[in-house]
Amino acid sequence: DAGITQSPRYKITETGRQVTLMCHQTWSHSYMFWYRQDLGHGLRLIYYSAAADITDKGEVPDGYVVSRSKTENFPLTLESATRSQTSVYFCASSESTPGWTEAFFGQGTRLTVV
Amino acid sequence: AQKVTQAQTEISVVEKEDVTLDCVYETRDTTYYLFWYKQPPSGELVFLIRRNSFDEQNEISGRYSWNFQKSTSSFNFTITASQVVDSAVYFCALSGSDTGTASKLTFGTGTRLQVTL
Repeated sequence: DAGITQSPRYKITETGRQVTLMCHQTWSHSYMFWYRQDLGHGLRLIYYSAAADITDKGEVPDGYVVSRSKTENFPLTLESATRSQTSVYFCASSESTPGWTEAFFGQGTRLTVV
Repeated sequence: AQKVTQAQTEISVVEKEDVTLDCVYETRDTTYYLFWYKQPPSGELVFLIRRNSFDEQNEISGRYSWNFQKSTSSFNFTITASQVVDSAVYFCALSGSDTGTASKLTFGTGTRLQVTL
């Protein structure tokens, strides 16, 4: 199916474990983004990528690692999960910079760290 | 730095009432872009509108209208004759045009709209 998909949709993990959230888009969009959504904070940018092998930090990057070896995939890894990383994570993609083209969002991944 | 403020945390209206969602932004960029997204209870983010800073013409799309005022740095969203299906969280967002701001969408904290019968 065309679009942007995230997996898993729901994940429960323990404190200290490594967990990877997957994001895949079928449009060959240059830009990809990871946001987290928390009550009272809206959506905050974690990392973004302007192209394969180019990534940059957003507003709240600490504790997260990203990679982008292929244009269509942009995994987000929590190296050692903490309870403060319990959140809903959204992946997004856009053909160009967000100002020029619409950003499309995935369905979100609800992550609970216990 | 860019900032988007949505001061209304939650709004409740009765169906058929008009409702305006406020959005105030801050940016140093001379060219910038403003957005509204809707997040229904199902959780996905739905794009509603994009507006660039050099086009201050108000826009109407069915029951939705947007009022962009550069003088007050506001981009307010009005729903006319609200319906229960309008119940959602609405986010205002901002993107710039300079290095460091062009690649990012900065979101407000959202306004939860509850429309009841």
